[in-house]
Amino acid sequence: EAGVVQSPRYKIIEKKQPVAFWCNPISGHNTLYWYLQNLGQGPELLIRYENEEAVDDSQLPKDRFSAERLKGVDSTLKIQPAELGDSAVYLCASSLVAGVSDTQYFGPGTRLTVL
Amino acid sequence: AQSVAQPEDQVNVAEGNPLTVKCTYSVSGNPYLFWYVQYPNRGLQFLLKYITGDNLVKGSYGFEAEFNKSQTSFHLKKPSALVSDSALYFCAVRSPTDSWGKFQFGAGTQVVVTP
Repeated sequence: EAGVVQSPRYKIIEKKQPVAFWCNPISGHNTLYWYLQNLGQGPELLIRYENEEAVDDSQLPKDRFSAERLKGVDSTLKIQPAELGDSAVYLCASSLVAGVSDTQYFGPGTRLTVL
Repeated sequence: AQSVAQPEDQVNVAEGNPLTVKCTYSVSGNPYLFWYVQYPNRGLQFLLKYITGDNLVKGSYGFEAEFNKSQTSFHLKKPSALVSDSALYFCAVRSPTDSWGKFQFGAGTQVVVTP
């Protein structure tokens, strides 16, 4: 079974430029998460989708971040414009259902460097 | 609010010796507890979880964890560490009273296993 796929793996951009990250969850997983991981810290939830609906985006900085999950499968996370403080690893995860006991499976992440 | 503490930034152990990574939590109600491992430039990999039942949970790669409700702890253990166990370990908690099942991750513990 293929795992969560993310691209690109690495991205270097100048500040104020836009950037987008793509995630393909495990087949059949209805729930998709985007996390932000700063160096030396645990992941922090940005947004969670149930199928195509964003059910928890309270931690997403909506002035510059946006996300979509068209057709309830792939998802894209966008930053526009990027700031120096956005340099981090962006992780995508998926789970079969939304239950609190369900396991989340993570992709390899996209490491963003903003210069 | 739920929280997780991993009191050790780094754990050093010689190969063949027992490995313990500590985790304590604070949550309303009975917790759902998870351990993940992260290798360099990789996403988080699921090791094990405690939902209910036996307090000793066995997981992947020979790891196990013991849920201790009175001490609010969920320490990760391995009887005989391998050099390949060197990685970053994250404990995470979910509260059953949180309808969205949001993960709260600890800051992580770096494990270094020396030959």
